[in-house]
Amino acid sequence: DGGITQSPKYLFRKEGQNVTLSCEQNLNHDAMYWYRQDPGQGLRLIYYSQIVNDFQKGDIAEGYSVSREKKESFPLTVTSAQKNPTAFYLCASSINRGRVGYTFGSGTRLTVV
Amino acid sequence: AQKVTQAQTEISVVEKEDVTLDCVYETRDTTYYLFWYKQPPSGELVFLIRRNSFDEQNEISGRYSWNFQKSTSSFNFTITASQVVDSAVYFCALRATDSWGKLQFGAGTQVVVTP
Repeated sequence: DGGITQSPKYLFRKEGQNVTLSCEQNLNHDAMYWYRQDPGQGLRLIYYSQIVNDFQKGDIAEGYSVSREKKESFPLTVTSAQKNPTAFYLCASSINRGRVGYTFGSGTRLTVV
Repeated sequence: AQKVTQAQTEISVVEKEDVTLDCVYETRDTTYYLFWYKQPPSGELVFLIRRNSFDEQNEISGRYSWNFQKSTSSFNFTITASQVVDSAVYFCALRATDSWGKLQFGAGTQVVVTP
């Protein structure tokens, strides 16, 4: 079945460490997105990519980095520069820039310990 | 700039009651898309409906219905005869034409349905 796979589901990170969240899709979607969710704040866009080897900053990109070397993959790295990384991270993809709709992964919950 | 406002933080109802979720949006675009998503405790976002700005026809799907009014920039969502399984966070989202596919989400409304 086609869909988006995010891994791991739960992730614990020590302060000062970088950590990478995986996002893979087999929907042949061109566009992929990363959102961060905090309680009571909805989802905020971190990065998005419309095509391979190209990506753009979203509203809260500071402290994060991404790559898009393959159409199917859009990993997100949470760097030590991110001051408050504890959150729920959702990856999404779309076809036709979202005019038809979006597919979301099941999310990764990151906790800094 | 795009903005989506869901003023209701949490709504609690008893099973079988109706519940209406409000969504007000702001955009300068004349063409845009509006969405409603459901987020159950598992965390995954479940797509409910998409509406184009040029289609103001309201829709009913089972126990769900939507009221889109461009004149008031509102896209409200009603659950009729609520059930415990409806307990979730519901998000309204906006995709404007020039947004390169970016979705602007509201803060979400937590719906709690008790037996």
